[in-house]
Amino acid sequence: DSGVTQTPKHLITATGQRVTLRCSPRSGDLSVYWYQQSLDQGLQFLIQYYNGEERAKGNILERFSAQQFPDLHSELNLSSLELGDSALYFCASSVGLGRVETQYFGPGTRLLVL
Amino acid sequence: SQQGEEDPQALSIQEGENATMNCSYKTSINNLQWYRQNSGRGLVHLILIRSNEREKHSGRLRVTLDTSKKSSSLLITASRAADTASYFCATAGNSGYSTLTFGKGTMLLVSP
Repeated sequence: DSGVTQTPKHLITATGQRVTLRCSPRSGDLSVYWYQQSLDQGLQFLIQYYNGEERAKGNILERFSAQQFPDLHSELNLSSLELGDSALYFCASSVGLGRVETQYFGPGTRLLVL
Repeated sequence: SQQGEEDPQALSIQEGENATMNCSYKTSINNLQWYRQNSGRGLVHLILIRSNEREKHSGRLRVTLDTSKKSSSLLITASRAADTASYFCATAGNSGYSTLTFGKGTMLLVSP
């Protein structure tokens, strides 16, 4: 158990809908990262927050947004869902911002868009 | 892009044998990390090697890094069925923050 929690574990929804994925980082970790894992794209970095502020952006679509709250939990919002958004979404956390950081991954949310 | 690329894509061995996985990347790095993922679950950090290090050990794991060839290898010695998983290398660049770029992984199957 990494100490990172993600809810829900599974999500089934329809195209065009909007969903919110939630992540609680390990106690004491200030950085939260979101990743998308699919068979064709592999593990793609989406976005990073540190202590409530956006710090880095990866391959995140404009239909997706995220935020980190004062209690450090984070939410990833996916809107206007398409079939291709079906994937495993992981949240990870680390203590700080440094490049020499171990990231601790949550168990993931499996999203299926029908 | 400095995305790591693992080789082979899949590896099947018997318990007790050693497993070697390779990772190549394209640009200079600050460090390289190896992660393990059991089927459909979260990734687990295994080991981190900095760009000024050449070899690192952790239990049955041995990681090497050759920055001149932009490559790394992960050796698992005396493999066990429980080592069955996908293994990913991830690189951290010299600029920006602590984001990682992951390769597509090597799927390792260890048969009893």
